[in-house]
Amino acid sequence: AQSVTQPDIHITVSEGASLELRCNYSYGATPYLFWYVQSPGQGLQLLLKYFSGDTLVQGIKGFEAEFKRSQSSFNLRKPSVHWSDAAEYFCVSASGGSYIPTFGRGTSLIVHP
Amino acid sequence: KAGVTQTPRYLIKTRGQQVTLSCSPISGHRSVSWYQQTPGQGLQFLFEYFSETQRNKGNFPGRFSGRQFSNSRSEMNVSTLELGDSALYLCASSLEGANYGYTFGSGTRLTVV
Repeated sequence: AQSVTQPDIHITVSEGASLELRCNYSYGATPYLFWYVQSPGQGLQLLLKYFSGDTLVQGIKGFEAEFKRSQSSFNLRKPSVHWSDAAEYFCVSASGGSYIPTFGRGTSLIVHP
Repeated sequence: KAGVTQTPRYLIKTRGQQVTLSCSPISGHRSVSWYQQTPGQGLQFLFEYFSETQRNKGNFPGRFSGRQFSNSRSEMNVSTLELGDSALYLCASSLEGANYGYTFGSGTRLTVV
């Protein structure tokens, strides 16, 4: 069965600092990978997705993610965090043959002024 | 274009009652999925409908059911409500399924008292 691990429950950064949120997936083949962001009391918004090809993926709001097959990782990065980035971030995988996504438990990002 | 619309936004029900939640997907999207989100369990997949057929089902009791209409609008129903059903219920639509990425609605906050 697929699994997605986000090892950090909370991350605190200062505004303007760089950010990296970690994600590891467990699946035999290369899955479809996504990062979503959720603001309090709201639904999830798709930041970026990886299917194949270039392992560095650009998303919205200045986010990017890098797929590393050797490490089974899909880490999310942003060079300079803004206070409005404070939210919950979810890493998600889906396999080619399944229509059921697997969600990580989420990482809560706290941004200090 | 319009996003995913969920109604109602908030709902308070009494234990033992039943509830129906509604979801209108993005025009052209044929896949609609439902999720339950709680602080303790995170995001849990309920079921997915594609072209009016339930294609996948999560591990929830039979009290949770759903359906999809010919215009892709979907409803989920929970009968005999329990206190533990209090959660944010999220609907998500996609062109074909998880591999394409989802667009989420803002959710329905259900409180069972």
